[in-house]
Amino acid sequence: DGGITQSPKYLFRKEGQNVTLSCEQNLNHDAMYWYRQDPGQGLRLIYYSQIVNDFQKGDIAEGYSVSREKKESFPLTVTSAQKNPTAFYLCASSPRGPVDTQYFGPGTRLTVL
Amino acid sequence: ELKVEQNPLFLSMQEGKNYTIYCNYSTTSDRLYWYRQDPGKSLESLFVLLSNGAVKQEGRLMASLDTKARLSTLHITAAVHDLSATYFCAVDMEYGNKLVFGAGTILRVKS
Repeated sequence: DGGITQSPKYLFRKEGQNVTLSCEQNLNHDAMYWYRQDPGQGLRLIYYSQIVNDFQKGDIAEGYSVSREKKESFPLTVTSAQKNPTAFYLCASSPRGPVDTQYFGPGTRLTVL
Repeated sequence: ELKVEQNPLFLSMQEGKNYTIYCNYSTTSDRLYWYRQDPGKSLESLFVLLSNGAVKQEGRLMASLDTKARLSTLHITAAVHDLSATYFCAVDMEYGNKLVFGAGTILRVKS
């Protein structure tokens, strides 16, 4: 089955720790994205990548880092510099064709203890 | 800076009734998406609207786009309980590179 997987589903972090959220897709999509969702709010773009080895900051990139070494994978690291990281994190991908619908993974819920 | 506003933010409606959710955006774009999110779940793509006057329908939901008014609507016909979810519109800023989302409309359909 083609799709987007994110792991873990739930993640607990102590203050001062870096954590990495995994996102993998087997849809052969070129573009991948990371969003953050806070309760009762829409999604905000953290980073996006159109091709391997290239990525761009979104609206709220501070305190986050990404890499895109493989087409299928786009991990997000939440660093200790992110002051309020508790949120629901969603990864998405799109084919970069004429209709660039973004398809979303199941999400990771990160809680800082 | 692009702003996307949805209203209402919360909608409680009876089964069988009709209603419309509105999505206004502040700068030029001719690509707009509607998504559905169930509680604690990911987003599911509903509609992609790619030009002025575009209309898409799926079951009891119909979406339209007026790029001149910078307005999209999501119309619900004869609501059923299964439509209860949060609905987001998202405007495409850079040909798929950057979606800006509205805050979402929480829809509750009561039997």
